[in-house]
Amino acid sequence: EAQVTQNPRYLITVTGKKLTVTCSQNMNHEYMSWYRQDPGLGLRQIYYSMNVEVTDKGDVPEGYKVSRKEKRNFPLILESPSPNQTSLYFCASSSGLGEQFFGPGTRLTVL
Amino acid sequence: KQEVTQIPAALSVPEGENLVLNCSFTDSAIYNLQWFRQDPGKGLTSLLLIQSSQREQTSGRLNASLDKSSGRSTLYIAASQPGDSATYLCAINTGGFKTIFGAGTRLFVKA
Repeated sequence: EAQVTQNPRYLITVTGKKLTVTCSQNMNHEYMSWYRQDPGLGLRQIYYSMNVEVTDKGDVPEGYKVSRKEKRNFPLILESPSPNQTSLYFCASSSGLGEQFFGPGTRLTVL
Repeated sequence: KQEVTQIPAALSVPEGENLVLNCSFTDSAIYNLQWFRQDPGKGLTSLLLIQSSQREQTSGRLNASLDKSSGRSTLYIAASQPGDSATYLCAINTGGFKTIFGAGTRLFVKA
């Protein structure tokens, strides 16, 4: 089944403790992206990647890192999480200018 | 700066009614526009994708149109059903997978 998977689905952590949210797709898509969704602010793009080793900043990249070492994986790294990074995070993938397919989301709480 | 606006923010209609959701964007230089639905606490489900060279796309009871020159897209839902109740989001791809979402329209279809 074609899908985008994210792990973990739920995470509660404390300020400053480094964490990684994984994202994997099995559709051989070139493009992958991370978004955060916050009440009243909607979905905002954090980072995106056009292919292996090619990444670029979205609208809200501060406090986040990404890497794309393999085509199927695009992890999101929070080196020193802060409470303002409490949010619902989505990973998505797409082939070229095709449809974006979204993962199920990761609900992150930073205390 | 590209902005995406969705009107109305919320809509309540009786079952069976035909309805139109609107999405407008400020810069006509887009590569494609995609409509999604999102159920509360869930991920995004792709409904329709319109490439910049296309005028409309149809899937079942859904029809999406795109007028790039005027910066508008509409999502038409025919014969609405309670199962259509969700938040509908439009997103534009401005190039290289850079994506901007509208804030969404919350739809409630009363039985």
